Amino acid sequence: EPEVTQTPSHQVTQMGQEVILRCVPISNHLYFYWYRQILGQKVEFLVSFYNNEISEKSEIFDDQFSVERPDGSNFTLKIRSTKLEDSAMYFCASSPTDRAYEQYFGPGTRLTVT
Amino acid sequence: QKEVEQDPGPLSVPEGAIVSLNCTYSNSAFQYFMWYRQYSRKGPELLMYTYSSGNKEDGRFTAQVDKSSKYISLFIRDSQPSDSATYLCAMSAYGNTPLVFGKGTRLSVIA
Repeated sequence: EPEVTQTPSHQVTQMGQEVILRCVPISNHLYFYWYRQILGQKVEFLVSFYNNEISEKSEIFDDQFSVERPDGSNFTLKIRSTKLEDSAMYFCASSPTDRAYEQYFGPGTRLTVT
Repeated sequence: QKEVEQDPGPLSVPEGAIVSLNCTYSNSAFQYFMWYRQYSRKGPELLMYTYSSGNKEDGRFTAQVDKSSKYISLFIRDSQPSDSATYLCAMSAYGNTPLVFGKGTRLSVIA
């Protein structure tokens, strides 16, 4: 069964460094999302992406964040200058065009900022 | 008032019990209601979705939505130790809009 994959599974970085989190959505899906989950808290929406552009973003998704679909399979989230409070699990999700409400999540990347 | 509220538990039940998990919400625009299961340090796994009000059944799982009360439920029949996980409700207004999650209910099914 197709699934969303994410790399790396765990990333440790120092405050102020740039990180890129990578996702490979399910191949025939066209809607892509990033969510994050701080330990013990709710899963929170960051950004959605469709047709090579951002369709919606939350207040969390400020100028430090960017997303890109550099080729036909990858979807990336970049954090330009990480802060301690960026430490969280980051989940990529994708959904098909005909059932856009069905969002399938990847296993997540655990980001630790020290 | 928080947009989606879910009792975090933990909820502990014996194997074979019927489990009832619930969420309330405040935004009357929500039309799509999802239940996800999340194992520790893993991604949410889509279990079921319901559009608008009504019931939906899938094996041992039944999802119910009462839009008039802004209340959704997930029932698990004949619960198994493998059902032990955190169950997240999530909802959205339109099909391709962001999901708003509850905090999740941690369930333990004891053999």
